[in-house]
Amino acid sequence: GENVEQHPSTLSVQEGDSAVIKCTYSDSASNYFPWYKQELGKGPQLIIDIRSNVGEKKDQRIAVTLNKTAKHFSLHITETQPEDSAVYFCAASLTGTASKLTFGTGTRLQVTL
Amino acid sequence: NAGVTQTPKFRILKIGQSMTLQCTQDMNHNYMYWYRQDPGMGLKLIYYSVGAGITDKGEVPNGYNVSRSTTEDFPLRLELAAPSQTSVYFCASSTRDRGINEQFFGPGTRLTVL
Repeated sequence: GENVEQHPSTLSVQEGDSAVIKCTYSDSASNYFPWYKQELGKGPQLIIDIRSNVGEKKDQRIAVTLNKTAKHFSLHITETQPEDSAVYFCAASLTGTASKLTFGTGTRLQVTL
Repeated sequence: NAGVTQTPKFRILKIGQSMTLQCTQDMNHNYMYWYRQDPGMGLKLIYYSVGAGITDKGEVPNGYNVSRSTTEDFPLRLELAAPSQTSVYFCASSTRDRGINEQFFGPGTRLTVL
């Protein structure tokens, strides 16, 4: 089955700096890669996703890049703000019936003033 | 829409007790999922359902059972609670859009087995 590794497990940045979280996956058939943000005491929420036919996708301060050959993808957050502090999860999936997600182990991002 | 709702929010069980975690969604989604989240381990899929009357095992199904009699509800049953089932449980739902399923998560149930 699919295996997703995520690094780092914790990340502390100063407000205004950039943050990068990296994930690798094992199943070359996976073709959908979402990123979820989980705030304290809440369920994960999708913030951005990318399909395997695209190399990069941006949404305001958030971007995701995908390298299919190397089987890794990354989340980039620019101009970080205190409200970006949360746990971020990457995931991988093969689209189709049910599209079950395999999650990484999460990165706790702390944005300090 | 309330989205995905879960009850209870917290529960403490004794070893060997049983309970049902409730999950309801009002988005008319066909797909529903149960995950458990352990510290530092991410989310692991327990069971999932692609529609009423259809369920299937995920990565960690042992010790759990599910049913899906309606589109809205997807309860998770623990028959003989064990300390290893201490975790935070999340229910999610999704609908297939362009072949991609964005999953919407509930707020979670924190379960402690003592």
